[in-house]
Amino acid sequence: AQSVAQPEDQVNVAEGNPLTVKCTYSVSGNPYLFWYVQYPNRGLQFLLKYITGDNLVKGSYGFEAEFNKSQTSFHLKKPSALVSDSALYFCAVRVQTGANNLFFGTGTRLTVIP
Amino acid sequence: EAQVTQNPRYLITVTGKKLTVTCSQNMNHEYMSWYRQDPGLGLRQIYYSMNVEVTDKGDVPEGYKVSRKEKRNFPLILESPSPNQTSLYFCASSLHSGRGSGANVLTFGAGSRLTVL
Repeated sequence: AQSVAQPEDQVNVAEGNPLTVKCTYSVSGNPYLFWYVQYPNRGLQFLLKYITGDNLVKGSYGFEAEFNKSQTSFHLKKPSALVSDSALYFCAVRVQTGANNLFFGTGTRLTVIP
Repeated sequence: EAQVTQNPRYLITVTGKKLTVTCSQNMNHEYMSWYRQDPGLGLRQIYYSMNVEVTDKGDVPEGYKVSRKEKRNFPLILESPSPNQTSLYFCASSLHSGRGSGANVLTFGAGSRLTVL
């Protein structure tokens, strides 16, 4: 069984401050981990993914995420938030040996305050 | 432009009236999937297809049907819609089906908002 927990429904951060959106996962086997972003009235867009190797993954729009195997976490980070980063963020996981069936978290709404 | 196209984008219907949400991709992707998005529940997988004529249930398949007769199309069929199927639906595709082919990125359609009265 696989599961993803995004413990915060809402994260507020001031523009220019660093942001973190949390994600923990559970999967039987080695995981592939993903972050997607959803802007209003749009589909989900891919931000970044962890496959293997370096625990710090860099993605689109200045976002990065850190894979921590011992804590089964994959938190999304950005050093300096922009108002345009305000959106709904989803963490997703799948087991490496399985089909491409991503299991998504419930989402975290990020609001960057000017 | 490489994309996943869903139609209709918005639909209001009544209980029991059969409807189909179409999904088409122009990227020659092998894998396609349908998700529904509900507040507080995130995205849940309905059905997926590893290739033409190969489909399987996801986590919430009840009340839905799919078919994959051609590689580019993956329609979602609601034979007798009920109010609990009111939701935002997303179709997604990826180049490969997953097994042994690495961490394929899903490309999503813009979504279809369905209301069943």
